[in-house]
Amino acid sequence: AQSVAQPEDQVNVAEGNPLTVKCTYSVSGNPYLFWYVQYPNRGLQFLLKYITGDNLVKGSYGFEAEFNKSQTSFHLKKPSALVSDSALYFCAGPGGGADGLTFGKGTHLIIQP
Amino acid sequence: EADIYQTPRYLVIGTGKKITLECSQTMGHDKMYWYQQDPGMELHLIHYSYGVNSTEKGDLSSESTVSRIRTEHFPLTLESARPSHTSQYLCASSEIGLSNEQFFGPGTRLTVL
Repeated sequence: AQSVAQPEDQVNVAEGNPLTVKCTYSVSGNPYLFWYVQYPNRGLQFLLKYITGDNLVKGSYGFEAEFNKSQTSFHLKKPSALVSDSALYFCAGPGGGADGLTFGKGTHLIIQP
Repeated sequence: EADIYQTPRYLVIGTGKKITLECSQTMGHDKMYWYQQDPGMELHLIHYSYGVNSTEKGDLSSESTVSRIRTEHFPLTLESARPSHTSQYLCASSEIGLSNEQFFGPGTRLTVL
């Protein structure tokens, strides 16, 4: 079965430090991979996606993600964290209904001032 | 501006009532989805649609039903609400194709007393 996994329920980072939110995948064929962010009482917002090509994908709000085929990972990164980055982050990949997406369980990112 | 809308944003209702959660999108997307999410937790796909007159059940069994009479409209109905239906319901849409991201509405927070 195709799936994505987020091994950390919560990540704590000090403001100004680099941040990483981890995601690993298990999919056959081309691994289309996505990152979404959810702020409290809101829907999910698309951050970035990997389809093919350059392994480093740049997205919204200064986020980027690195696709690593050998490690089957797609970690989300940002060089310098902001308090406003505090939110719930979801990794997603192929496998859901309607040829849609399957989502990881989410990682709470907390940026401490 | 192209967007996806959900109403109501919050709904508190008594057991046994019939409710309809509205979802509309102005992006002309063929594919639409309903997810159920407990606050701060993972998403579960409960319904999806490939287009007009297409409705399918998702990965998580749900007592709700959906309809797709118009491309832009994908309402979800609960004939008799129960406390176990208390949750957040997220609507999403996307273009046809595995690599296309989903766009999410703001969600409806449902509380059944």
